[in-house]
Amino acid sequence: GAVVSQHPSWVICKSGTSVKIECRSLDFQATTMFWYRQFPKQSLMLMATSNEGSKATYEQGVEKDKFLINHASLTLSTLTVTSAHPEDSSFYICSADRAMRETGELFFGEGSRLTVL
Amino acid sequence: DAKTTQPTSMDCAEGRAANLPCNHSTISGNEYVYWYRQIHSQGPQYIIHGLKNNETNEMASLIITEDRKSSTLILPHATLRDTAVYYCIVRVAGWGNEKLTFGTGTRLTIIP
Repeated sequence: GAVVSQHPSWVICKSGTSVKIECRSLDFQATTMFWYRQFPKQSLMLMATSNEGSKATYEQGVEKDKFLINHASLTLSTLTVTSAHPEDSSFYICSADRAMRETGELFFGEGSRLTVL
Repeated sequence: DAKTTQPTSMDCAEGRAANLPCNHSTISGNEYVYWYRQIHSQGPQYIIHGLKNNETNEMASLIITEDRKSSTLILPHATLRDTAVYYCIVRVAGWGNEKLTFGTGTRLTIIP
């Protein structure tokens, strides 16, 4: 089946630094990728929709200058948390939408756990 | 806002069938019902989806009511590894970039 890979799986950083998370579709092309954030014991919250070759669309309340998203190719999207603070500590999950999909299911990455000290 | 409502939690005995209900009374004619599950600290895993006919695969069965306002996910012989949060989601399939909006889901606990 289709595989979406995220890297790193977990990262610890100091407050004020920036962290980049990669999301790759390994065996299919993804015209659209989605980025979610999940706090403990809560559901996934959509942060932004990333379209290849164009600017990301952010959900209401998500700071686009803080969460930089780049979708430069059909197999890679990156999320950069800039000037991270402890409140940005969370589980970040990406999903990829297969181009020319037949069935419509999204494929999710394994998630990246960010801890900001 | 999520377009579905699910019970917050459910228990099921190991080896028995787990039946997880979902209400989606405002579903549109071109929206599918998708089920995903999330095991602790992992990304969501696709289970099954359907439009109006009942569906079955190696993981589960999906029963959709005739009016499509509700559905039930059935895990026929639950095992301890089925303990997870199960999400019922409605979404348009096909071309486009329709986002998946997660509700609170049902936390299913399989009891030994």
